[in-house]
Amino acid sequence: GENVEQHPSTLSVQEGDSAVIKCTYSDSASNYFPWYKQELGKRPQLIIDIRSNVGEKKDQRIAVTLNKTAKHFSLHITETQPEDSAVYFCAASGGGSQGNLIFGKGTKLSVKP
Amino acid sequence: SAVISQKPSRDICQRGTSLTIQCQVDSQVTMMFWYRQQPGQSLTLIATANQGSEATYESGFVIDKFPISRPNLTFSTLTVSNMSPEDSSIYLCSVELLTDTQYFGPGTRLTVL
Repeated sequence: GENVEQHPSTLSVQEGDSAVIKCTYSDSASNYFPWYKQELGKRPQLIIDIRSNVGEKKDQRIAVTLNKTAKHFSLHITETQPEDSAVYFCAASGGGSQGNLIFGKGTKLSVKP
Repeated sequence: SAVISQKPSRDICQRGTSLTIQCQVDSQVTMMFWYRQQPGQSLTLIATANQGSEATYESGFVIDKFPISRPNLTFSTLTVSNMSPEDSSIYLCSVELLTDTQYFGPGTRLTVL
């Protein structure tokens, strides 16, 4: 089945710097890759997603890139702000099991003012 | 988007008892899912709640322990049966609004003593 690896597990940056979180997946049939942000005590919130027919997608300060050949995808946050501090999860879906999201272990991002 | 609610938001239960968690969405959706998030961990899919048929369980989860109902396209329940302290987790439902795109309910925080 699908396996998703996520790195780093923790990331600390200064306000205004960029942050990059990387994920790799194992099932070449996977075709949908969402990113969720989870603040303490809150539900995971979908912040951006990408499908396998696209190499890059941007939404204001966040962007996601996908390399299908290497089976990895990354989240890029520019001009980080303290409110970006949260746990970020990547996921992969659409392989053997329709609709099943397989999540990475998460990255705790801390943005220091 | 959709409004997804869960009841209860939290509960403290004694071992050996059962708890039923409800998930309600304000629009009809085809796909609903149940996840478990153990303290400080990632999200793990328990099962897909199928309307009109038995739920589809992931490896490691069985119907006797986690019976699921899906009586219509806006509602589902998950029961955690014969609970032990190891069942202490956050249980989240999610719904698929667009192909593969899942949105989460607020979660139910369960503590088993």
